[in-house]
Amino acid sequence: QKEVEQDPGPLSVPEGAIVSLNCTYSNSAFQYFMWYRQYSRKGPELLMYTYSSGNKEDGRFTAQVDKSSKYISLFIRDSQPSDSATYLCAMSEDSGGYQKVTFGTGTKLQVIP
Amino acid sequence: DAGVIQSPRHEVTEMGQEVTLRCKPISGHNSLFWYRQTMMRGLELLIYFNNNVPIDDSGMPEDRFSAKMPNASFSTLKIQPSEPRDSAVYFCASCPNRGLDYGYTFGSGTRLTVV
Repeated sequence: QKEVEQDPGPLSVPEGAIVSLNCTYSNSAFQYFMWYRQYSRKGPELLMYTYSSGNKEDGRFTAQVDKSSKYISLFIRDSQPSDSATYLCAMSEDSGGYQKVTFGTGTKLQVIP
Repeated sequence: DAGVIQSPRHEVTEMGQEVTLRCKPISGHNSLFWYRQTMMRGLELLIYFNNNVPIDDSGMPEDRFSAKMPNASFSTLKIQPSEPRDSAVYFCASCPNRGLDYGYTFGSGTRLTVV
């Protein structure tokens, strides 16, 4: 079993829809939780970063962490065609003095105009 | 800043040949990471440098892979000899200090194809 599980999709939604992206994990040592966005032929870029359980909002994006269930989510409101990309969840644990990051395999999202 | 710069963008090589991938991190970032991305396994950490010193190389697949960081502005990842299963996109990423507050800045990657 992988430490981080993420549905690969693809997920196709109409413009304006609310999108829900999810990851589950098995490692209780994970402390920090992140979402990265990766456009085709580009490197990932950080979208959201959170430490504790609960919600964190940034514009149209909301990250949710439930440590008791080992489950994290990213919600995108009023989705736009420019949101079409692959979304990677990421989690980190202390590993010999540095935060070692483990990435999910990514969910491909397509927002249709 | 131009961001993390990787070269080449694409590399096609024959099995058994030596391949060298290059990375220039963002100035002032003292942590550098090499990742490999495939459809099946996603992003896998190969090696982590802090202040030019290799800290964690547990992800390096085998002795065919080696990485160096001779100074704060340059790192290489070498594969010798290359094999078809090494075909993947290789990313370099950097960040300030050891923290995650601002996330990693990734380069655009090197797409390696070994035939």
